[in-house]
Amino acid sequence: GAGVSQSPSNKVTEKGKDVELRCDPISGHTALYWYRQRLGQGLEFLIYFQGNSAPDKSGLPSDRFSAERTGESVSTLTIQRTQQEDSAVYLCASSRLVEETQYFGPGTRLLVL
Amino acid sequence: QKEVEQNSGPLSVPEGAIASLNCTYSDRVSQSFFWYRQYSGKSPELIMSIYSNGDKEDGRFTAQLNKASQYVSLLIRDSQPSDSATYLCAVNRRTSYDKVIFGPGTSLSVIP
Repeated sequence: GAGVSQSPSNKVTEKGKDVELRCDPISGHTALYWYRQRLGQGLEFLIYFQGNSAPDKSGLPSDRFSAERTGESVSTLTIQRTQQEDSAVYLCASSRLVEETQYFGPGTRLLVL
Repeated sequence: QKEVEQNSGPLSVPEGAIASLNCTYSDRVSQSFFWYRQYSGKSPELIMSIYSNGDKEDGRFTAQLNKASQYVSLLIRDSQPSDSATYLCAVNRRTSYDKVIFGPGTSLSVIP
């Protein structure tokens, strides 16, 4: 079936604006992860969902970041009042079960001017 | 101590040589271990998963797991320039609740 999809693929926004990033996981995958990757850096864990609940929100950098998942399917990551340091690639991954292989989407490249 | 540690590199090997990538983890009860490859500008993709002590081979790749030493490695035989990438080790942490933790990655450069 289809892989993990993310939209938009690229987003340019002005400092202070809100942005919403979307992730469509592989059908049937119960676990969904959000990561941030700055240029030349490693994966930075943000949040993960088991079904529609988020057991671990510890990676969210500030209260400007929030995420939700509905119907054990699509997830949205919202960044309010964007800052230049939010510029990065935001990656979404899903897995059938938490302890199994994660499949990554192509990412959303966010640039905050 | 970080939960998953890797040498950051860069690791440089000549074409045709064996590349050895290492990873250590802190959670003694971890059960699932993964190696991902990430090319520059691309998303990570799975190379291998390993769940039992010992070696697991897939083509030119061999994963080795030693739970007693909390150590997992990836060997790449007959390294090719196309193997140049960042290699990410991931471990399923089982304390409190299940969660897969990624290491910082090791950058590999295969020199023609």
